[in-house]
Amino acid sequence: QQQVKQSPQSLIVQKGGISIINCAYENTAFDYFPWYQQFPGKGPALLIAIRPDVSEKKEGRFTISFNKSAKQFSLHIMDSQPGDSATYFCAASVQGGSEKLVFGKGTKLTVNP
Amino acid sequence: EAQVTQNPRYLITVTGKKLTVTCSQNMNHEYMSWYRQDPGLGLRQIYYSMNVEVTDKGDVPEGYKVSRKEKRNFPLILESPSPNQTSLYFCASRSGGAWQETQYFGPGTRLLVL
Repeated sequence: QQQVKQSPQSLIVQKGGISIINCAYENTAFDYFPWYQQFPGKGPALLIAIRPDVSEKKEGRFTISFNKSAKQFSLHIMDSQPGDSATYFCAASVQGGSEKLVFGKGTKLTVNP
Repeated sequence: EAQVTQNPRYLITVTGKKLTVTCSQNMNHEYMSWYRQDPGLGLRQIYYSMNVEVTDKGDVPEGYKVSRKEKRNFPLILESPSPNQTSLYFCASRSGGAWQETQYFGPGTRLLVL
């Protein structure tokens, strides 16, 4: 079964610090790697996504780093803020065919003021 | 406003009583999906649809049915709900094309099966 393994399960960071969440996958056919942010009581929202032809993508304080050979990708949140406190999910899929999207189990991030 | 709506938002039912959770999107998206979210398990895809009358199973389809008769609607049907289907359900939609940058999730439906 296709899997995406996400770590850590929970993360506590001080305001202004760097939050790092890691994901690893097995299926080398995956070619789309999104990250979702979910606040309590809300649906997930797409945060940032990367394709395997680039090693890094940055949007504001959020950066995805991608290591194709290691089959790993990570989310870095720079200058973490209390408003970033949420659950983050990584995911992976094969584009251009199946709509199957496989999610990691999530990381609950708490940013202390 | 671009949105995915789900109804009902909360539902308590009993084992075996058929129910339908509706999902509607106003963005003319081709692709729609249903997920369930359970503590410690993250989000798991139940069914997805790539267009009208085109549906396929996700990772956990057992006990669920879907239909896609219109582009905007993608209802989730539980013919005979069981307690292990107690969960938080999300509908999602996205536009066509190769990449999912425009995927939107609904607000969720919390289901309790007694």
